[in-house]
Amino acid sequence: AQTVTQSQPEMSVQEAETVTLSCTYDTSESDYYLFWYKQPPSRQMILVIRQEAYKQQNATENRFSVNFQKAAKSFSLKISDSQLGDAAMYFCAYHKNTGTASKLTFGTGTRLQVTL
Amino acid sequence: GAVVSQHPSWVICKSGTSVKIECRSLDFQATTMFWYRQFPKQSLMLMATSNEGSKATYEQGVEKDKFLINHASLTLSTLTVTSAHPEDSSFYICSVVWSVPRAHEQFFGPGTRLTVL
Repeated sequence: AQTVTQSQPEMSVQEAETVTLSCTYDTSESDYYLFWYKQPPSRQMILVIRQEAYKQQNATENRFSVNFQKAAKSFSLKISDSQLGDAAMYFCAYHKNTGTASKLTFGTGTRLQVTL
Repeated sequence: GAVVSQHPSWVICKSGTSVKIECRSLDFQATTMFWYRQFPKQSLMLMATSNEGSKATYEQGVEKDKFLINHASLTLSTLTVTSAHPEDSSFYICSVVWSVPRAHEQFFGPGTRLTVL
């Protein structure tokens, strides 16, 4: 079974600084997707960024980028120029590509605090 | 992305009663929806996969007779917690899946907080 591990329960970053959240996963599959979701205090899950395993290029979305190391099964999220609104729980998630709807496996989450 | 609603956003009920939670896909037809449960300060745990027109697929350890799922249309799935007990108190979240070829994308509802007294 696939597992997703987030080893940092909590992280803190100063406003305007950069922070990296770690995620590792375990799978025997070669075709899959990885995601970072943000859950703010409202508890609405928001997709931050996604990475297709077959793509070597790291995904970027404005201030958010990933470092995808397929061989090491590592998928870290870098947040640049951190803002107060980035404070939230961040979940790393894995999805096996079956061509049809397939479930997500979530990590345990990292709570990010943003300080002034 | 898709717009997903849940109703109610919160509910309080007495032990032994049943509660129905609705999940609606507002802007596209969803053949597959997922139901998750999230306890405080924990991650999302998948409960079941809801497929339009067929029986739901439950994850190991989830009681199908307690958590009844009905996906009667392409825009609505319901989760009914039967004979609710305090240990069922949790945050329930649904998600909808884009049809192929974007079957890997899930969009989440805002969640329903259930408190059983």
